[in-house]
Amino acid sequence: SYVLTQPPSVSVAPGQTARITCGGNNIGSKTVHWYQQKPGQAPVLVVYDDSDRPSGIPERFSGSNSGNTATLTISRVEAGDRADYYCHVWDHSSVPWVFGGGTKLTVL
Amino acid sequence: QITLKESGPTLVKPTQTLTLTCTFSGFSLSTSGVAVGWIRQPPGKALEWLALIYWNDDKRYSPSLKSRVTITKDSSKNQVVLTMTNVDPVDTATYYCAHSTTVVAWGLDYWGQGTLVTVSS
Repeated sequence: SYVLTQPPSVSVAPGQTARITCGGNNIGSKTVHWYQQKPGQAPVLVVYDDSDRPSGIPERFSGSNSGNTATLTISRVEAGDRADYYCHVWDHSSVPWVFGGGTKLTVL
Repeated sequence: QITLKESGPTLVKPTQTLTLTCTFSGFSLSTSGVAVGWIRQPPGKALEWLALIYWNDDKRYSPSLKSRVTITKDSSKNQVVLTMTNVDPVDTATYYCAHSTTVVAWGLDYWGQGTLVTVSS
């Protein structure tokens, strides 16, 4: 089955840029979504279809997808961005959904 | 306004069958391009997709759980039901249902609050 690989943790200072990667075989040919999950809460969609943002999500959140890596970029990181982030691939196949293992974002 | 809410037992014994219900409002699962999925998260661990049902009753399952999981819908009641047979303590997790649509390229744009299910004798 398809496997998505995320780094367990990423650390960044406030005001800097955080980049969270999601690796998968030819992931650039698939549709990638990103979720933010804070402790005790349900996940929230922050980027869909590789690079689009749902309404209400700050422009600081952006996404890209090419080759074997998709990336969630958070600009001007704030303390409130501290959370777990998950990538999620949709593929038009018999196994349409796969989640990455999650990345814990630490704001120093 | 789209909302989803999971309901079911909080404690299940090993080998029993778990039945969870997702009751939703604000959309119809009879509308083309809409789906509802189940996702779970063991304590301190990652999200895991379980099952998905489309508006046209097409169903998809995670390969690792396909033999134990069934998803059904009752569009008239605005409910989606997940059944998992022969549960084990490793199935202890928070179970979420979520809405998906072509509008967000089959991402999950609305989630229920989740329900914690503990499998223990």
